[in-house]
Amino acid sequence: QVQLVQSGAEVKLPGSSVKVSCKASGGTFSTFAISWVRQTPGQGLEWMGGIIPLFGTTIYAQSFQGRVAITADKSTTTAYMELISLTSDDTAVYYCVSGYTSTWSGDYWGQGTLVTVSS
Amino acid sequence: EMVMTQSPATLSVSPGERATLSCRASRDVSSNVGWYQQKPGQAPRPLIYGASSRATGVPARFSGSGSGTEFTLTISSLQSEDSAVYYCQQYDTWPLAFGGGTKVEI
Repeated sequence: QVQLVQSGAEVKLPGSSVKVSCKASGGTFSTFAISWVRQTPGQGLEWMGGIIPLFGTTIYAQSFQGRVAITADKSTTTAYMELISLTSDDTAVYYCVSGYTSTWSGDYWGQGTLVTVSS
Repeated sequence: EMVMTQSPATLSVSPGERATLSCRASRDVSSNVGWYQQKPGQAPRPLIYGASSRATGVPARFSGSGSGTEFTLTISSLQSEDSAVYYCQQYDTWPLAFGGGTKVEI
């Protein structure tokens, strides 16, 4: 059983950046993809991008290209999502999601990290 | 870019009734579709993977079907705790994409 534990809530100024972590345990970290999904207040789910830790392969949604970086540390089984040039539109809950039944399936979810961007 | 379209946006049903939720992909995604249940203040909970396989611990009243571009989530006999928003997602092609969600009201 895979467990994903994310870092705590953040409050950021516009123009700054945020880095959210996702610690995985209980499974084979490297083999399956870790995706990042965000949910703005009252809205649906938006896939931001993901990484396959074994290969370091990353893929990003076009709407976040150039502003997001997803990395993974195999030694600590932790994935990271860094988002730069924050605006109030980036206020959202950010989830990490792990595959298991398939490389990119959404089988396990972290608890979510609220990022608030406000001056 | 892949688009997942869910219908209806809202579904009002009585306890014990059947609910049928639809999800359409803009291109063939084979059976690489998942369904998720989200209640207020909670992370999404996986219900179905591979279009028709129930995730661990999911009650048998939840079933998924479909392949290609048309997918369905059926809740056979609704219970009060099934009130939630349900999302489909394709993970066949990048970028992965979610549908807009169906809110089920009991």
